[in-house]
Amino acid sequence: IQMTQSPSLLSASVGDRVTLSCKAGQNINNYLAWYQQKLGEAPKLLIYNANSLQTGIPSRFSGSGSGTDYTLTISSLQPEDVATYFCQQYNSWTTFGSGTKLEIK
Amino acid sequence: EVQLVESGGGLVQPGRSLKLSCAASGFTFSDYYMAWVRQAPTKGLEWVASISYDGGSTYYRDSVKGRFTISRDNAKSSLYLQMDSLRSEDTATYYCTTIGNYGWFAYWGQGTLVTVSS
Repeated sequence: IQMTQSPSLLSASVGDRVTLSCKAGQNINNYLAWYQQKLGEAPKLLIYNANSLQTGIPSRFSGSGSGTDYTLTISSLQPEDVATYFCQQYNSWTTFGSGTKLEIK
Repeated sequence: EVQLVESGGGLVQPGRSLKLSCAASGFTFSDYYMAWVRQAPTKGLEWVASISYDGGSTYYRDSVKGRFTISRDNAKSSLYLQMDSLRSEDTATYYCTTIGNYGWFAYWGQGTLVTVSS
């Protein structure tokens, strides 16, 4: 299943509400996860099952969506949120999106 | 605290073999499906292989079927990836991960870099 993330690069200011998009090639029944990868580090799970927050992840991160369209929202962007964000579907085997790089303006 | 520590990466010539290891601690290893996920330099993430709790079932992406073998030793809390007939396109950082109930990758090691080049 093809996963398309947009935008590929996002620049926002500290305190902004930020929305990242992930679109699946077919219905993935909410079997979607989001990961954060900081430069030089391993990915970290943020959200699973489209909207469940992983233990220890700040509540400013949230996930939503259904069917083929999903969103990761950061309610108030912090400097430490600079990273690349990947979505992953696990409805049919598993595939990742190509990522959205988030920068501070 | 969950810890996954990969080892065994390095520079290898095309057509040769390499075996990666992952030492797990901080959780009951035998309770989890495990997987290897790779990331080519400056590229995205790609699932490579998965293995069931007892090693009885294994799964591979098409491009590595017949060349890579995933295995585990629950007594040693260790995961392995035997990589044969390596190709330049296998060059990547390889991550050891746990698999959540439905297929998300909950915990990740720091990764080990495999470079396939003559």
